[in-house]
Amino acid sequence: QVQLVESGGGVVQPGGSLRLSCAASGFTFTNYAMHWVRQAPGKGLQWVAFISYEGSNKYYADSVKGRFSISRDSSESTVYLEMTSLRVEDTAVYYCARNAPGQIHYLDWWGQGALVTVSS
Amino acid sequence: EIVLTQSPDFQSVTPKEKVTITCRASQNIGNSLHWYQQKPGQSPKLLIKYVFQTFSGVPSRFSGSGSGTDFTLTINSLEAEDAATYYCHQSGRLPVTFGQGTKVEIK
Repeated sequence: QVQLVESGGGVVQPGGSLRLSCAASGFTFTNYAMHWVRQAPGKGLQWVAFISYEGSNKYYADSVKGRFSISRDSSESTVYLEMTSLRVEDTAVYYCARNAPGQIHYLDWWGQGALVTVSS
Repeated sequence: EIVLTQSPDFQSVTPKEKVTITCRASQNIGNSLHWYQQKPGQSPKLLIKYVFQTFSGVPSRFSGSGSGTDFTLTINSLEAEDAATYYCHQSGRLPVTFGQGTKVEIK
């Protein structure tokens, strides 16, 4: 059974930092690329970042480029999202999602999400 | 960036009725179009991949069609459990993008 479990969310002040984790289980983690997608309160889905299965290719939405960093640890089957210089508009539920095998495709499994609130 | 525009934004539907949601892309994305269902308080779930391929476990009343820039999600004979927001998603070109969502309410 595929499982993706996010953690690390919380309340942070503008300009602060936070690191989200997504622990994967139930599949061979090293075979799959991963994404982070966020959803602001009452809003739609917004793609944030992508990391390839082996970690060599990373892509970011323009709105987070230079502030967020995606990484993965194969030994821990975990993908991370390091968020710095946080802004009020980064407030959202952050989902990690598994990319279907191969290149950038559909997202076949999603975690339950981690809420990040940026507020003074 | 490829913009996906869904219509309508909201639909109130009687059970057993047919629902049609459209997704229009600002550029040709071939068949790289997917659909997700998100129920209140839950994470999104994949319904349809590559325009018309139903994901494992998805009821047969859900179907997709289209190509290029115009796509459709159809729910035949709507059931109460289908109350949700539906999103289209394109993976053909970075940045990947989502439609704004269509909320389906049961009358």
